[in-house]
Amino acid sequence: GQQLNQSPQSMFIQEGEDVSMNCTSSSIFNTWLWYKQEPGEGPVLLIALYKAGELTSNGRLTAQFGITRKDSFLNISASIPSDVGIYFCAGPGSGGSNYKLTFGKGTLLTVNP
Amino acid sequence: DGGITQSPKYLFRKEGQNVTLSCEQNLNHDAMYWYRQDPGQGLRLIYYSQIVNDFQKGDIAEGYSVSREKKESFPLTVTSAQKNPTAFYLCASSTPGRGNEQFFGPGTRLTVL
Repeated sequence: GQQLNQSPQSMFIQEGEDVSMNCTSSSIFNTWLWYKQEPGEGPVLLIALYKAGELTSNGRLTAQFGITRKDSFLNISASIPSDVGIYFCAGPGSGGSNYKLTFGKGTLLTVNP
Repeated sequence: DGGITQSPKYLFRKEGQNVTLSCEQNLNHDAMYWYRQDPGQGLRLIYYSQIVNDFQKGDIAEGYSVSREKKESFPLTVTSAQKNPTAFYLCASSTPGRGNEQFFGPGTRLTVL
């Protein structure tokens, strides 16, 4: 089946620093989704990307749909303590399903005040 | 407010007992999903339902059962056949379309003693 490789697995940064993480797929995606999960809670959708090359922002977050359609990037600028959590990328499931998603294993972000 | 609710937040059961986790949504979404999350792991799909009275197995369906008698509800039963049931369980819903953006509930943490 499809696999998503998300990196880095974890990051420890100081408040105010910028953060970059990425996700690569073994196959072409038509959609990239980025979620954030805070400890003990369900994931929350941050950004959805639908077109190769697309660059979308949500506050201090910016995500890009890679030109090859096999990768995506998420950047967080000027990090703050509440950015702590696990960030997941996701894309359509295998077999062209309109329902299933494939998730990366997540990037755990820790922000030191 | 529209959203997805899961209850209870924390659940404790003795080994060998079946337990049912509740998931309700008022988003009028057609599709609903159950995921399992273990520490340091991504999200693994247990079951999903595209429409009322229909559901399909996900990647790790063994030891679990579901029903979809109403559009709003998709309960998950963890049976005694599930060898390692202690985990964080997440319910999600979506409506088929552009990117299958799934929206998650707050999760239920099940501990089997």
